[in-house]
Amino acid sequence: GAVVSQHPSWVICKSGTSVKIECRSLDFQATTMFWYRQFPKQSLMLMATSNEGSKATYEQGVEKDKFLINHASLTLSTLTVTSAHPEDSSFYICSAPGLAGVGGEQYFGPGTRLTVT
Amino acid sequence: QKEVEQDPGPLSVPEGAIVSLNCTYSNSAFQYFMWYRQYSRKGPELLMYTYSSGNKEDGRFTAQVDKSSKYISLFIRDSQPSDSATYLCAMEMGTSGSRLTFGEGTQLTVNP
Repeated sequence: GAVVSQHPSWVICKSGTSVKIECRSLDFQATTMFWYRQFPKQSLMLMATSNEGSKATYEQGVEKDKFLINHASLTLSTLTVTSAHPEDSSFYICSAPGLAGVGGEQYFGPGTRLTVT
Repeated sequence: QKEVEQDPGPLSVPEGAIVSLNCTYSNSAFQYFMWYRQYSRKGPELLMYTYSSGNKEDGRFTAQVDKSSKYISLFIRDSQPSDSATYLCAMEMGTSGSRLTFGEGTQLTVNP
């Protein structure tokens, strides 16, 4: 199957600082990537859809100025959590559709654990 | 009402048992159905992917889709302690730009 990587896998930052998380498709191109957050013992919550070369589409209730998404190439999307606060501490996961695109299989990265102190 | 309902468990079974995991959904527009396995603090791993109603088998795993009842299942035969994880069902309409709708996930523990 297709491989999606994330970096870093775990980051600790101080309140008020910004953190950038990278999501890469390693062996395929992804014009679309998705960003999720997951709290302990809960399911994945879609935050935004990242589209290569255009603006991201954010889900209702997600602050676009706080969670900046950039999809500058067909293999890389980044999520920047700006002015992070302890309530932003969560598990952030990205995903990308495989070669089949819509209706096909979708692959997830290993996740990034963010802890804001 | 949630679009996808999944019993969160937890579900605990002895090693070797047959496990049945289920999801129901309300939106008949869902066309593609997936099961993911997620270990603690890891990203979801795709286990099964199905499109049409019927059964699909892969090793010890069988996915079943009944579109008329809006019901999907995942069966795990000869369950192993390594199967202990959270299992998430996910669905896609096919016209939503690959956007998935997830169930809550069922936490499974297989005891040796």
